[in-house]
Amino acid sequence: EVQLVESGEGLVQPGGSLRLSCAASGFTFRTYEMHWVRQAPGKGLEYVSGTSSNGRITYYADSVKGRFTVSRDNSKNTLYLQMDSLRPDDMAVYYCSRESIGGTGAFDYWGQGMLVTVSS
Amino acid sequence: DIRMTQSPSSLSASVGDRVTIICRASRGISAYVNWYQQKPGKPPKLLMSAASRLQSGVPSRFSGSGVGTDFTLTISTLQPDDFATYYCQQSYTTPRTFGGGTKIEIK
Repeated sequence: EVQLVESGEGLVQPGGSLRLSCAASGFTFRTYEMHWVRQAPGKGLEYVSGTSSNGRITYYADSVKGRFTVSRDNSKNTLYLQMDSLRPDDMAVYYCSRESIGGTGAFDYWGQGMLVTVSS
Repeated sequence: DIRMTQSPSSLSASVGDRVTIICRASRGISAYVNWYQQKPGKPPKLLMSAASRLQSGVPSRFSGSGVGTDFTLTISTLQPDDFATYYCQQSYTTPRTFGGGTKIEIK
């Protein structure tokens, strides 16, 4: 069974940092592109960041470019999101997701999500 | 970045109704559109990929169409379990942007 389990949620002050983790199981992690998507309270889905299967290629939304860093450790089956210079508008539920293999680019599995609160 | 515009942002419908949601891309994206269903407090669930490819286990009352810039998701006969928010997403390029969502509410 495919599972994506996020951890690292918490409360952080504006300007602070937080590192999110997503532990994957039930599939060959190293062969899949992985992504982060967030959802602010009461709002829609927003793409945040992603990485190729080997971690050499990374993608970012303009809203987080230069502040967030995505990475992965294929030996630990884990995806990470380092979030620096956090702002109040970064407050959201963060989901990790797996991009399906086959060329459609769809996100076929999602974690349960974790809340990141940015507040003083 | 490619912008995805969904309409309507919300709609009220009754069980048994036929419902269509529209998604428009800011430029041509072939058939690289995916549709997700999300219920409160839950992660999104992939319904359809490549504009019209139904995911395993998704009821056949859901269908999708479109190519280029204009796409639709249709629910042929709305069921109680379908009241949720639906999102389109383009996977033509990164960042893989989402539409703003369409919330289907009970009339």
